[in-house]
Amino acid sequence: KAGVTQTPRYLIKTRGQQVTLSCSPISGHRSVSWYQQTPGQGLQFLFEYFSETQRNKGNFPGRFSGRQFSNSRSEMNVSTLELGDSALYLCASSLEGQGNTEAFFGQGTRLTVV
Amino acid sequence: GDSVTQMEGPVTLSEEAFLTINCTYTATGYPSLFWYVQYPGEGLQLLLKATKADDKGSNKGFEATYRKETTSFHLEKGSVQVSDSAVYFCALTLTSGTYKYIFGTGTRLKVLA
Repeated sequence: KAGVTQTPRYLIKTRGQQVTLSCSPISGHRSVSWYQQTPGQGLQFLFEYFSETQRNKGNFPGRFSGRQFSNSRSEMNVSTLELGDSALYLCASSLEGQGNTEAFFGQGTRLTVV
Repeated sequence: GDSVTQMEGPVTLSEEAFLTINCTYTATGYPSLFWYVQYPGEGLQLLLKATKADDKGSNKGFEATYRKETTSFHLEKGSVQVSDSAVYFCALTLTSGTYKYIFGTGTRLKVLA
C-alpha cells in the first residue's frame, strides 16, 4: 500500500512568488492535514480537510490556503512568498472512523525562499 | 490552550544506555497521545500511541504510559542503539472529530557507539 506522497520534494522560489504543493493521501484516507516545520517554531498546524471541506485551520495568514479534491488529494498554496516561509511542509492523512486517530505523514516538501 | 511540553535536547547517550524523554501536556477534554520519530531528511513516523488513561503504548522496545493524574506521557527505552538517533516528538490530538495535532518542540537523541 503506497504511503502519503508529497510533490515536489524540494522547491526554491523567490520572494513575492507563489507556490503550490501537492499531497496524495493513502488510498481510502479522506482526512488530510498540513503542517509547517521550522527550526524556530517547530511543527505548526496549518489546516485540515475532510471530504473537500476545511475542517480546521491554524493561526497562519491568509496567504496560506489549501483545498481538497474529490479523490482526497490536497494542495496547499502560499502566495506572496516571504523569506520566513522557508520550511519543511508536511502533509498527513488519516482514516476517518471510531478510534482511528493516527496520522500518516509524507516525507515533506522542502521550500526555500530566496 | 492545549499544549505539549517536551524536555530540551539534545540528549546524548552511549549505546545500551537507558533512555527517558519527558513529555507533559495540557488539554481540555481527553486527548490521544503519540510519540513520533523523525530521521534526517524524512517525514514523521508514528512510534507509539495511547488513546486513554493508563494505556501503555509500545513499539521497537520503546514504551510510554498515559498518566492522566500527572498529565504525562514519558518515552522510555531500556537499551538504545545507534540507529535510534533521531528527533522524537510528543503530540496530542483531541478526539473531537478532527486530526489537528499539537506537537512538542522535539527532542534530538544522539546515540554513540
